[in-house]
Amino acid sequence: QVQLVQSGAEVKKPGASVKLSCKASGYTFTSYPMHWVRQAPGQRLEWMGWLNTGNGNTQCSQTFQGRVKITRDTSASTAYMEMSSLISEDTAVYYCARKLTGSGNPFDYWGQGTLVTVSS
Amino acid sequence: QSALTQPPSASGSPGQSVTISCTGTSSDVGGYNYVSWYQQHPGKAPKLMIYEVSKRPSGVPDRFSGSKSGNTASLTVSGLQAEDEADYYCSSYVGRDNWMFGGGTQLTVL
Repeated sequence: QVQLVQSGAEVKKPGASVKLSCKASGYTFTSYPMHWVRQAPGQRLEWMGWLNTGNGNTQCSQTFQGRVKITRDTSASTAYMEMSSLISEDTAVYYCARKLTGSGNPFDYWGQGTLVTVSS
Repeated sequence: QSALTQPPSASGSPGQSVTISCTGTSSDVGGYNYVSWYQQHPGKAPKLMIYEVSKRPSGVPDRFSGSKSGNTASLTVSGLQAEDEADYYCSSYVGRDNWMFGGGTQLTVL
């Protein structure tokens, strides 16, 4: 069965960077795009960007351009999301989500989420 | 990044129907038939309930249905059950491989 297992909770100081992982299993990792979505406490879902798992190309929301880097390790079926220059407002649960192929297709499987807390 | 507009809350009694709206613009909801709805229980990851405006993934009860008119999409939950109490988010494709979510609606089963 399809599973996306994310890395554990992180606590970071303002200005630091964080790198989260999302390990996929139960399907061919390179056949489906992987997206990242975050949710601040009590807030809405916010789309961050995505990774073409086949060729490694990425695209980020304008909100996160220059601060977020999405990468992959195909041998480990794992996607990574690294965010730099963290501020307190980046405190959130970060989800990876598999997307069905095709431009408008939805996110059909989600990871369990990783809580990132940014605090001095 | 602006969000699609959803009512913050909705409610209904068991067995009743409730409809949640999701309003965007001609650049997102109105421009594509790629609206999805996600259910999120507290502390859990979102779950896909509706995609491409009105399609249901396997395993989602047919009590859940979706529609769209112009720049507004809607999710209707019929025959409300206690387990339907959750947050619901709409999502729309906005072109150039970008996506947008709504502000979320907290559904309460009275």
